[in-house]
Amino acid sequence: DTGVSQNPRHKITKRGQNVTFRCDPISEHNRLYWYRQTLGQGPEFLTYFQNEAQLEKSRLLSDRFSAERPKGSFSTLEIQRTEQGDSAMYLCASRPGLAGGVEQFFGPGTRLTVL
Amino acid sequence: AQTVTQSQPEMSVQEAETVTLSCTYDTSENNYYLFWYKQPPSRQMILVIRQEAYKQQNATENRFSVNFQKAAKSFSLKISDSQLGDTAMYFCAFMKHGVGSGGSNYKLTFGKGTLLTVNP
Repeated sequence: DTGVSQNPRHKITKRGQNVTFRCDPISEHNRLYWYRQTLGQGPEFLTYFQNEAQLEKSRLLSDRFSAERPKGSFSTLEIQRTEQGDSAMYLCASRPGLAGGVEQFFGPGTRLTVL
Repeated sequence: AQTVTQSQPEMSVQEAETVTLSCTYDTSENNYYLFWYKQPPSRQMILVIRQEAYKQQNATENRFSVNFQKAAKSFSLKISDSQLGDTAMYFCAFMKHGVGSGGSNYKLTFGKGTLLTVNP
């Protein structure tokens, strides 16, 4: 399967713990996005990478959130000192450069539950 | 900032019938894309159809078509010959054209979604 993959698929943690999620984009895609989807809402943009450079961060991304894409391939999203309000589905999407089109391809998401 | 509104939280349709999902958006931009994404239960989001704002012709993909009214900022999705596999959450999404501080880096702004159930 050459689609976008995300791990873990589910994560249950206690309030105050740190969690890290991983996204592996489609191999030839150098653009990568993170979104957050809460119950009953559409996904909301969190951050954007072009290769290893983080070019945009949403105001939703508080200081407790950090994202990296160290070699321009996979990306990680870390949440420190989790809060119950962080419970959501975290989606990763990737796309090629503009010559390859603007469509974003989504992974299956990581569902986070903070107890 | 752009906003996307889907006024129908839930809809249902009988198998083989036609259904239309509504979407309106608000933007001051002239150059943008609109999308419908489908999110089946416990499965990942996939693109259904895409419309470029500069194209007057409505996009069509097999049983899926859109009615794009740029002046009215309306972008509805019509599903013909509905199938059980069409049961899913459908999201309308807006993407501004352009990169950098003046653009959007091609990120998506989504509506809240419409849950479509196709009944046998």
